[in-house]
Amino acid sequence: DAGVIQSPRHEVTEMGQEVTLRCKPISGHNSLFWYRQTMMRGLELLIYFNNNVPIDDSGMPEDRFSAKMPNASFSTLKIQPSEPRDSAVYFCASRGLAGDEQYFGPGTRLTVT
Amino acid sequence: AQSVTQLGSHVSVSEGALVLLRCNYSSSVPPYLFWYVQYPNQGLQLLLKYTTGATLVKGINGFEAEFKKSETSFHLTKPSAHMSDAAEYFCAVSSGGGADGLTFGKGTHLIIQP
Repeated sequence: DAGVIQSPRHEVTEMGQEVTLRCKPISGHNSLFWYRQTMMRGLELLIYFNNNVPIDDSGMPEDRFSAKMPNASFSTLKIQPSEPRDSAVYFCASRGLAGDEQYFGPGTRLTVT
Repeated sequence: AQSVTQLGSHVSVSEGALVLLRCNYSSSVPPYLFWYVQYPNQGLQLLLKYTTGATLVKGINGFEAEFKKSETSFHLTKPSAHMSDAAEYFCAVSSGGGADGLTFGKGTHLIIQP
């Protein structure tokens, strides 16, 4: 099993640019989660999907952030426009229908200058 | 609302000594509790979990944790620390039977002294 796949692993961009982070969950998993990790705030849930439908997006910080899951094998998290305070590590995780544990990807380290 | 408190942002122990990482939670419903480990520049790996049933749960790499409802605690222990245990450890809670997102503690950085 390839595990949760995230791309890119590192992203450096300038303030004001659009950033798109990508995630491929484990095959057969029906729930997908996006988290953000910063030194100041730790690990925070941004949004999660069940069966491709967004269930809770209360953690999305601002309208600049959006997430989609067009099918069971792909999700994106987009930031437009990006700001320096968005610099963080963004993790994607997935969970199977019969399970209660989440499997995390390696993360995308985003730096906005 | 739910929350997790991890006491001690850094814990240092000698190799071979007992490891104790503290976690207290708050939840309005029976919680599902998890411990994850994160090595530098890597994602999170599940160590162990408590859902229902036996309150003492065993995980990977010799770690175990005990769910104590009366104390709202889920402390992580290992009898004998190994150098390879040096990492960041996160306690997390889910109040939706595991169906919803996780609320994490701030993490504890475990340092192993030779």
